[in-house]
Amino acid sequence: DSGVTQTPKHLITATGQRVTLRCSPRSGDLSVYWYQQSLDQGLQFLIQYYNGEERAKGNILERFSAQQFPDLHSELNLSSLELGDSALYFCASSLSEGTGDEAFFGQGTRLTVV
Amino acid sequence: AQKVTQAQTEISVVEKEDVTLDCVYETRDTTYYLFWYKQPPSGELVFLIRRNSFDEQNEISGRYSWNFQKSTSSFNFTITASQVVDSAVYFCALSGRDDKIIFGKGTRLHILP
Repeated sequence: DSGVTQTPKHLITATGQRVTLRCSPRSGDLSVYWYQQSLDQGLQFLIQYYNGEERAKGNILERFSAQQFPDLHSELNLSSLELGDSALYFCASSLSEGTGDEAFFGQGTRLTVV
Repeated sequence: AQKVTQAQTEISVVEKEDVTLDCVYETRDTTYYLFWYKQPPSGELVFLIRRNSFDEQNEISGRYSWNFQKSTSSFNFTITASQVVDSAVYFCALSGRDDKIIFGKGTRLHILP
């Protein structure tokens, strides 16, 4: 158990809808990262937050947004969903700011858009 | 632009054989980090190692070893005396000055009993 909790584990929704994925980092970790893993694109870094502030941005679509709350949990919001958004979404956390840190991953949320 | 190439899509070896997973990277940054992650069939991602660009010492951890060579921009991963539990997809990744983490496509490793 990595100590990172992601909910829900599975999500099935229709095209055009909006969903929110939630991540609770390991106790004490200040950085949260979001990744998308799909067959087409492989594993992609989406975004990093550190202590509530956006720290680094990867290949995150404009339809997607994220935030980190004062209690350090994070949410990834996906809107106007398309079939191609079907993927496994991972959250990871690490202690400090730099992406060079060891990161611990959650079990992922499998999103299926139908 | 930064890039990570794992040319081996899939490898199968018999248990107890040694196997090396290749990783070649491209970056213009002088300071960067390289990583290896393991994704077993259960799906979670497990951190294996991090190496910064200034530390070219090879590392050994049990049956795992890593060979970092800046001259060839490679960060290869060797499993000695492989076991069935080593079957997984292994990802090499790079993080540079912009802090964006780039992953390779992964190498699917099958260890046959």
